[in-house]
Amino acid sequence: NAGVTQTPKFRVLKTGQSMTLLCAQDMNHEYMYWYRQDPGMGLRLIHYSVGEGTTAKGEVPDGYNVSRLKKQNFLLGLESAAPSQTSVYFCASSYYAVTEAFFGQGTRLTVV
Amino acid sequence: EDKVVQSPLSLVVHEGDTVTLNCSYEVTNFRSLLWYKQEKKAPTFLFMLTSSGIEKKSGRLSSILDKKELFSILNITATQTGDSAVYLCASYTGNQFYFGTGTSLTVIP
Repeated sequence: NAGVTQTPKFRVLKTGQSMTLLCAQDMNHEYMYWYRQDPGMGLRLIHYSVGEGTTAKGEVPDGYNVSRLKKQNFLLGLESAAPSQTSVYFCASSYYAVTEAFFGQGTRLTVV
Repeated sequence: EDKVVQSPLSLVVHEGDTVTLNCSYEVTNFRSLLWYKQEKKAPTFLFMLTSSGIEKKSGRLSSILDKKELFSILNITATQTGDSAVYLCASYTGNQFYFGTGTSLTVIP
């Protein structure tokens, strides 16, 4: 009964380094999302996917790339990390339209 | 531009008080309005509303949607310290959830 699992939970990066955040869901959901949450800014959508092999840009996509090669996995990549990308990242998934989103536990990323 | 606005930004009450949290939205292709509770980690789902005027209720929490005036309220009666959290409102448009910045509720014993 895992739901949505994010790895890693914490990470510290140096400016310019790259990394990939993994999101895995076991609910057979079609839609998956990556959000970032910053103080006073709420949850902002980075990228999303409406099915395997598809991705689309959200509100704040710059500096991030994503891939959805398998239905259950949604990867978020940072090619060259910047201090402005210090944030808490949440992955979420939902079955189809008009259903709630289920969230992972978050990844706290610090870029120094 | 699609947006969701929540008020107040923060609220401090005493145990036993009743609180009302507000959420207004302006989005294209509105499908539903959702409320989440966030305590330090992942947001947890509370309610989803799709029809005007029909109250959803779960214990001491209730919520209602007004699609004509484009807002929703979340009521919490007889508040407890365990209700302390950030409450997030989101509007779903068919492929994206637009979130407000949240209302931070602190319940003092």
